[in-house]
Amino acid sequence: DQQVKQNSPSLSVQEGRISILNCDYTNSMFDYFLWYKKYPAEGPTFLISISSIKDKNEDGRFTVFLNKSAKHLSLHIVPSQPGDSAVYFCAASGNTGGFKTIFGAGTRLFVKA
Amino acid sequence: GAGVSQSPSNKVTEKGKDVELRCDPISGHTALYWYRQSLGQGLEFLIYFQGNSAPDKSGLPSDRFSAERTGGSVSTLTIQRTQQEDSAVYLCASSSTGIPREKLFFGSGTQLSVL
Repeated sequence: DQQVKQNSPSLSVQEGRISILNCDYTNSMFDYFLWYKKYPAEGPTFLISISSIKDKNEDGRFTVFLNKSAKHLSLHIVPSQPGDSAVYFCAASGNTGGFKTIFGAGTRLFVKA
Repeated sequence: GAGVSQSPSNKVTEKGKDVELRCDPISGHTALYWYRQSLGQGLEFLIYFQGNSAPDKSGLPSDRFSAERTGGSVSTLTIQRTQQEDSAVYLCASSSTGIPREKLFFGSGTQLSVL
C-alpha cells in the first residue's frame, strides 16, 4: 500500500514562474514531512521539512504547505530556475511504530529557460 | 568521511549470481538505511540499522536479501541468486541518531543490472 503518493510523475514550468509539487499521505500517524531533491546519478538530498504542528515552512525560494485535514502537502518553488530541474521526493515519518521514512514515487520537474 | 560512500557505483551480473553492495556512512552516524529504486518507481525501504542491530528489516523482499553492519559503521547488502527483478538502484542513507523525523543523508547509489 502506498502511504505517500505523488500522483504527478512530471511537471514542466517556465523559468521564473511558480512550481507546485503535490503529495498526499494516508497514515494519520505521520507527523513530520520532508522533501528531497535528486539529480541524475546522485543520491537524494534533503530540501525542506515541516512538522505536523505547523501549516507552512519557508526557506528562501522553497515553501512547504501542510493541510492535515486533507492529508496533503505541497512544495512551492518561486521563482523556478533551470537548476531546479530534478526529481522531487515527498517523504513522511513519525510515530508509525517503525523507524523508516516513507517516500513517494517522485515528481520530475523540468524548468524551461 | 565527508559523505555517504557506496561501492561499486555500477554492477552488472548474471542471473543466479550473488552480489555484495557496500555502504560507508557518515562518520559518527548511528543509523543506516538501505532503500532501492526500481525503474519508474519511488524509493522502497529495505532495512534499518541502529548500530549493528537491525530493528526493522521489514522491507527486504525475500530471503535472498540480507544485510549486516559491523563496528557500527560499514554495511553490506547481499543479494543471493540474483533475479532480473532485482535490477534497481540501491541507495544507502545514514542519519545521526535514527530518531524519526531526522533527515537522511544518501549516497549516490549502486546501479545493479541483472542480465
